Amino acid sequence: DAGVTQSPTHLIKTRGQQVTLRCSPKSGHDTVSWYQQALGQGPQFIFQYYEEEERQRGNFPDRFSGHQFPNYSSELNVNALLLGDSALYLCASSLKAQGDEQFFGPGTRLTVL
Amino acid sequence: DAKTTQPTSMDCAEGRAANLPCNHSTISGNEYVYWYRQIHSQGPQYIIHGLKNNETNEMASLIITEDRKSSTLILPHATLRDTAVYYCIVIDYGQNFVFGPGTRLSVLP
Repeated sequence: DAGVTQSPTHLIKTRGQQVTLRCSPKSGHDTVSWYQQALGQGPQFIFQYYEEEERQRGNFPDRFSGHQFPNYSSELNVNALLLGDSALYLCASSLKAQGDEQFFGPGTRLTVL
Repeated sequence: DAKTTQPTSMDCAEGRAANLPCNHSTISGNEYVYWYRQIHSQGPQYIIHGLKNNETNEMASLIITEDRKSSTLILPHATLRDTAVYYCIVIDYGQNFVFGPGTRLSVLP
């Protein structure tokens, strides 16, 4: 049973560029949440996708956007990258009908230079 | 902001029980207590959750006080591989997770 997978593992971008991160949820899961984790801090909620729509959003600017596909996989897009966007980006999947237990992927380490 | 407070760090001897406390004095009746842990640079891993009753699974036990204002995660026989940051999260059904800084547990040989 495949767990949550994310790609790429690591990524280096420069200020002003755009980036797309990808997530495949655990088999059977229909909900995907994205988190940003700066060094030394806990993960911060960005947004959640269910039925291909953004259902909840944390305190992140519009530069952060996402998408969910019919197969439940998801993308996180960040435009106009800032140095402060350097972080570990985590994807978590869950099954809406079964409540809040979330399974996290290994993350994508984004470095903005 | 996170609804929980946890000690910044704790040490535990290998083979002994690790008891990690969490205060959630403003918890409401519908909110669950979840515990996750994060081993260095990996994604957080689910440990256990509960509402009112104490819970036990193959990884840990969760003890929730009768007034639900605090809880304790117990790892009965800590190993070196249990060294991680442990997060206590209070959440109502359908809400997003709010992580605090967690407790850094170091299991010492």
